[in-house]
Amino acid sequence: GAVVSQHPSWVICKSGTSVKIECRSLDFQATTMFWYRQFPKQSLMLMATSNEGSKATYEQGVEKDKFLINHASLTLSTLTVTSAHPEDSSFYICSARDLSQGYEQYFGPGTRLTVT
Amino acid sequence: QKEVEQDPGPLSVPEGAIVSLNCTYSNSAFQYFMWYRQYSRKGPELLMYTYSSGNKEDGRFTAQVDKSSKYISLFIRDSQPSDSATYLCAMSAYGNKLVFGAGTILRVKS
Repeated sequence: GAVVSQHPSWVICKSGTSVKIECRSLDFQATTMFWYRQFPKQSLMLMATSNEGSKATYEQGVEKDKFLINHASLTLSTLTVTSAHPEDSSFYICSARDLSQGYEQYFGPGTRLTVT
Repeated sequence: QKEVEQDPGPLSVPEGAIVSLNCTYSNSAFQYFMWYRQYSRKGPELLMYTYSSGNKEDGRFTAQVDKSSKYISLFIRDSQPSDSATYLCAMSAYGNKLVFGAGTILRVKS
């Protein structure tokens, strides 16, 4: 149980375009979903927290107009990187939590974004 | 000083060895403790989740929490080459966001 999927696993886009990443909890209802960014050989950096049906809470320094997060249902959250630039190239990972079951978070497999 | 300290390694051990991975923390409000395993270019996989002092065992893995010392450990028995990965400790206070350690790179040599 507790499986989280992400799509796509790898995406290449041109500078100036937008790209959407989906995160789904497959076998549980995610009351909260999180989006992280990870640079090579570094730990995870939390970008934002989203509760189903509510606006996302962004961490300090994360541009909310650039990284649009939507959590429209208990099993789906999306991250849209708008007007992408090469410095947005990174590994993006989502996680999900069902507070009715506990505080542990389950992570997706990650999405590698390359902006050319 | 970071809230969570974890030696980045790398830690190299022979196959079959007992591995000990550790984290220390400074925030006494942390109540929930997790260990994740992350392979290269993959998302972290939850190995252990605890919320009380003491030991918790699951197969070859044992998680240990000492809240009085603000110290947590993960022990891996009979380590295998497939255990080679980065191990991340993570903790949170009252269900708030997770705070991660830097991750320890483990290499198990056959």
